[in-house]
Amino acid sequence: SQTIHQWPATLVQPVGSPLSLECTVEGTSNPNLYWYRQAAGRGLQLLFYSVGIGQISSEVPQNLSASRPQDRQFILSSKKLLLSDSGFYLCASERDGAGAFFGQGTRLTVV
Amino acid sequence: QKEVEQNSGPLSVPEGAIASLNCTYSDRGSQSFFWYRQYSGKSPELIMFIYSNGDKEDGRFTAQLNKASQYVSLLIRDSQPSDSATYLCAVNMLRTGANNLFFGTGTRLTVIP
Repeated sequence: SQTIHQWPATLVQPVGSPLSLECTVEGTSNPNLYWYRQAAGRGLQLLFYSVGIGQISSEVPQNLSASRPQDRQFILSSKKLLLSDSGFYLCASERDGAGAFFGQGTRLTVV
Repeated sequence: QKEVEQNSGPLSVPEGAIASLNCTYSDRGSQSFFWYRQYSGKSPELIMFIYSNGDKEDGRFTAQLNKASQYVSLLIRDSQPSDSATYLCAVNMLRTGANNLFFGTGTRLTVIP
C-alpha cells in the first residue's frame, strides 16, 4: 500500500518569506500526485496535479508553484507568502483511478 | 454551480441510528466516486469508492450511486460515536488527460451517545 510522507507538520512563516513543502511517496510508481489546500472549515481546493516527472498543471492562479523533480517527489513552493496562503496543505497520491491517499498534511500559518 | 455539492450539516444522529449523507455532482461524464472521512485536524482517509450505478456495501457503510440523477450517497448503519467526523464526497473528473479528484465541502456528522 502507498505511504505519503509530508513535512513539516506545522509551519509558521512571516508574510513575504519563501515556502517549500515536500511530499514523497512510497509503495507505488508512476502515481498521479496532487496538492490540495483546505482553509479553516472549508473543503479541499485542488491546487496542482502532476501525471509525471516535470509535468505540472495548475487548477487555480495563485502565489504558489509546484515541481516534480522525481517520480515520487512533489514540491510546493512560493517566493513570497501572503496572509491568504494560510491553510492546511495536503499532498495526495493516486493511481489507476482507485482513489487518492493523503499525507498527514502541513498546517501553514502566515503571520 | 459547484462541481461537487454536499449539505454542510451539521447532521446529528443518535447512536445506533442510520446516518445518510448526500452528494451531487455537475460533470455527467464522471466515472468514479469516493467517500472520505476526515477527523478534526487530520487528513482525509478513503472509506468507500463506487463506480457503477446501484449500491455497494462494506461493513456498516453503503455507497449508492445514481448517474442519471448525478447523485451519490453514503449510509452508515449502527452509527457509533467514533463515526463523528466530516465526510467528504469526491468525484473523479477527467481533465486534460489526467484524473482529477474534486471534493465537496463535506458534511459534518455527530453521533450522539
